Amino acid sequence: DAKTTQPPSMDCAEGRAANLPCNHSTISGNEYVYWYRQIHSQGPQYIIHGLKNNETNEMASLIITEDRKSSTLILPHATLRDTAVYYCIVNLGAGNNRKLIWGLGTSLAVNP
Amino acid sequence: GAGVSQTPSNKVTEKGKYVELRCDPISGHTALYWYRQSLGQGPEFLIYFQGTGAADDSGLPNDRFFAVRPEGSVSTLKIQRTERGDSAVYLCASSPGPYNEQFFGPGTRLTVL
Repeated sequence: DAKTTQPPSMDCAEGRAANLPCNHSTISGNEYVYWYRQIHSQGPQYIIHGLKNNETNEMASLIITEDRKSSTLILPHATLRDTAVYYCIVNLGAGNNRKLIWGLGTSLAVNP
Repeated sequence: GAGVSQTPSNKVTEKGKYVELRCDPISGHTALYWYRQSLGQGPEFLIYFQGTGAADDSGLPNDRFFAVRPEGSVSTLKIQRTERGDSAVYLCASSPGPYNEQFFGPGTRLTVL
């Protein structure tokens, strides 16, 4: 079973920030938080990952709470092309335990 | 550069037939993963290769499913005696190193009639 909980759906206005929450209260100390997204009829796409510190790349920012029990993915200026299902996954990220266990994700609709 | 490619993009077969699904990973990626995804669900892990060997095949649902990666590059997922419940999108991903950023192909949509 997935170790994360996400809201099933969210809406966001184009040009505004999209903040997608994820709960992972049973995360262990050496597990990373990964975010992927899946645009309709395409394969999933990696977005970002982090362990403890907040992370930022060209796609998004990842904010992880100090106790690591939850995180938020931020798309700073959402566009229509960001409409997708967003998956939050926890994983060791190394060794042989590298399979990703996926939940149902959050379906984000970016509206004009 | 070229991403992960999967062939065929669509496969329709009859119940009881044998099918092979092919995955070409990104060149140089040592890790390769197979997942399958049913409508409205997240991907479900099937098997993970590190090089030529299957490092984790715990997700294969039964012995009708088998996968190989003989030269550490291209992989083939083989399904014997297909059943209607095998209908899904089969996704392949490859990964370059230890941080598990997986690059996915577009998937093969398998329909078993």
